[in-house]
Amino acid sequence: AQSVTQPDIHITVSEGASLELRCNYSYGATPYLFWYVQSPGQGLQLLLKYFSGDTLVQGIKGFEAEFKRSQSSFNLRKPSVHWSDAAEYFCAVSSGGSYIPTFGRGTSLIVHP
Amino acid sequence: DGGITQSPKYLFRKEGQNVTLSCEQNLNHDAMYWYRQDPGQGLRLIYYSQIVNDFQKGDIAEGYSVSREKKESFPLTVTSAQKNPTAFYLCASSMDRPLSGNTIYFGEGSWLTVV
Repeated sequence: AQSVTQPDIHITVSEGASLELRCNYSYGATPYLFWYVQSPGQGLQLLLKYFSGDTLVQGIKGFEAEFKRSQSSFNLRKPSVHWSDAAEYFCAVSSGGSYIPTFGRGTSLIVHP
Repeated sequence: DGGITQSPKYLFRKEGQNVTLSCEQNLNHDAMYWYRQDPGQGLRLIYYSQIVNDFQKGDIAEGYSVSREKKESFPLTVTSAQKNPTAFYLCASSMDRPLSGNTIYFGEGSWLTVV
């Protein structure tokens, strides 16, 4: 069965600092990987996804993520965080065999001025 | 604009009552989903439907029911059998392309509070 681990429940960064949110997955074959962002009381918005090809994926709002098969990871990065990036971030994985995504528990990003 | 519309945004229910949450999409997506979100627990799948007049239980289907009579609509009923229904409910949809990835898109959510 596929699973996703987001080891950090909360991350605090200063505005303008770089950001990396961790995501590890468990699945034997090549997975489909996603990052979503959720503002308080809102639905989830897709930031980016990886299906195949280039392992460095660019998304919206200046985010990028890198698929590392050897580490079973799909970490989300941003070079300079803005206060508006404060939100909950979810990593998700799906596969051809179980195409419904499994979500991690989320990482709450706090941005200090 | 295309999207997924959930209503109502906020709903209060007395114990013992059934309530229905609406979800409509105009994206022409085949598949629709209902998730429940509780603080610190991420998203848990309640029900999903790949095609009209067919749906499958997810991980936490007990106390919930759904119907899929139209492609664009997937209402969720929270029954009195659901022991702890207070939560944030998210509807989602996708084109259902499992062999080429299956990107799902979410509505804005509905808050249900039992009083």
